[in-house]
Amino acid sequence: SAVISQKPSRDICQRGTSLTIQCQVDSQVTMMFWYRQQPGQSLTLIATANQGSEATYESGFVIDKFPISRPNLTFSTLTVSNMSPEDSSIYLCSVGRDPYNEQFFGPGTRLTVL
Amino acid sequence: AQSVTQLDSQVPVFEEAPVELRCNYSSSVSVYLFWYVQYPNQGLQLLLKYLSGSTLVKGINGFEAEFNKSQTSFHLRKPSVHISDTAEYFCAVRFNQAGTALIFGKGTTLSVSS
Repeated sequence: SAVISQKPSRDICQRGTSLTIQCQVDSQVTMMFWYRQQPGQSLTLIATANQGSEATYESGFVIDKFPISRPNLTFSTLTVSNMSPEDSSIYLCSVGRDPYNEQFFGPGTRLTVL
Repeated sequence: AQSVTQLDSQVPVFEEAPVELRCNYSSSVSVYLFWYVQYPNQGLQLLLKYLSGSTLVKGINGFEAEFNKSQTSFHLRKPSVHISDTAEYFCAVRFNQAGTALIFGKGTTLSVSS
């Protein structure tokens, strides 16, 4: 398994601002992913955070809106840029380790945009 | 196309009744299958998983699921539910391709009443 921490755990932000969410894992992992869970909805994959290269985004998500960094094998950040109320969601970091067939999830960051 | 479908958005049942939550997937490659539970205002908790081997898997809280390859299904069952089982249940699939992330179904709300 893996112990994952996220900061902040929750935040309330103003429209038009940006928030950076940090994900820290207690050991090196191969794969890191970012998900979004909008109110009353399921989890949607935003992107795969690739170590040392640009993230791979899913359809409907773009780098300008959700820039991602992954400087090493234990840490990643997701920025939600130019926020609007529609960005109010829980953002979750998830990791997998080779040979991996299971993912572990962080506690999530609950974001409210006013 | 690869996808996962939860056939029921809401399942209301009475306490001590049996329940089945349905999950189907579409894939051209082998899969790993998971069920997660999310209690109100809480994070994801892994109920059970199928990686290989026996197609009947048992999880926590008395839940079990059966992998049916011919029907591409992974239905979740419990012979007798409790009020405390009221929660959102997510079926998730990882398609056996390098670097792919878990894909979640839309979720099923299980409501248990007395």
